[in-house]
Amino acid sequence: ETGVTQTPRHLVMGMTNKKSLKCEQHLGHNAMYWYKQSAKKPLELMFVYNFKEQTENNSVPSRFSPECPNSSHLFLHLHTLQPEDSALYLCASSQDPGDIHGYTFGSGTRLTVV
Amino acid sequence: GESVGLHLPTLSVQEGDNSIINCAYSNSASDYFIWYKQESGKGPQFIIDIRSNMDKRQGQRVTVLLNKTVKHLSLQIAATQPGDSAVYFCAEIEGNTPLVFGKGTRLSVIA
Repeated sequence: ETGVTQTPRHLVMGMTNKKSLKCEQHLGHNAMYWYKQSAKKPLELMFVYNFKEQTENNSVPSRFSPECPNSSHLFLHLHTLQPEDSALYLCASSQDPGDIHGYTFGSGTRLTVV
Repeated sequence: GESVGLHLPTLSVQEGDNSIINCAYSNSASDYFIWYKQESGKGPQFIIDIRSNMDKRQGQRVTVLLNKTVKHLSLQIAATQPGDSAVYFCAEIEGNTPLVFGKGTRLSVIA
């Protein structure tokens, strides 16, 4: 366990479903991130939250909706996804975005859209 | 494993030999360059970093070399072991902006 926990580990959903990915950290970090890992772009930054405020959205389609209710929890709400959205979604946290030593990753959620 | 399916360059090395994994970067303004290791079923884990004003940094069995002239970064692993089999990513940070990852290389160690 790295200190960043992601659930579920695996998720299969239809294109009309609504689901949510959850990430939790108790490392006292202030920044949390969602990364997408796929065959085309191995580790692609999606969203950044720093002190619960979204500071970066890397042109992510609106069918992905992040939520950060507090500095320990991060969600990724999924709605009307496409098969090309199938990927490994990784959550990470750090003390701040420029913390070179402190990015801690969860084990990811393997998402399959059918 | 979770990194299976990635279309990545692959490096196969005999156990006990040294491994050299290369990475090209594009941002000359990056302050630090970092290497991460991702084992099957896990998220990336920090290995070693190098500040942009350095050329070389050594850790335990690993050495990172930075050539700013050609924007090239390498990770050398001495006496490669089966446990070193993983996908290796280079990453860079500029100021307080988030970590940006390179494409990755899959290292396979042949016993």
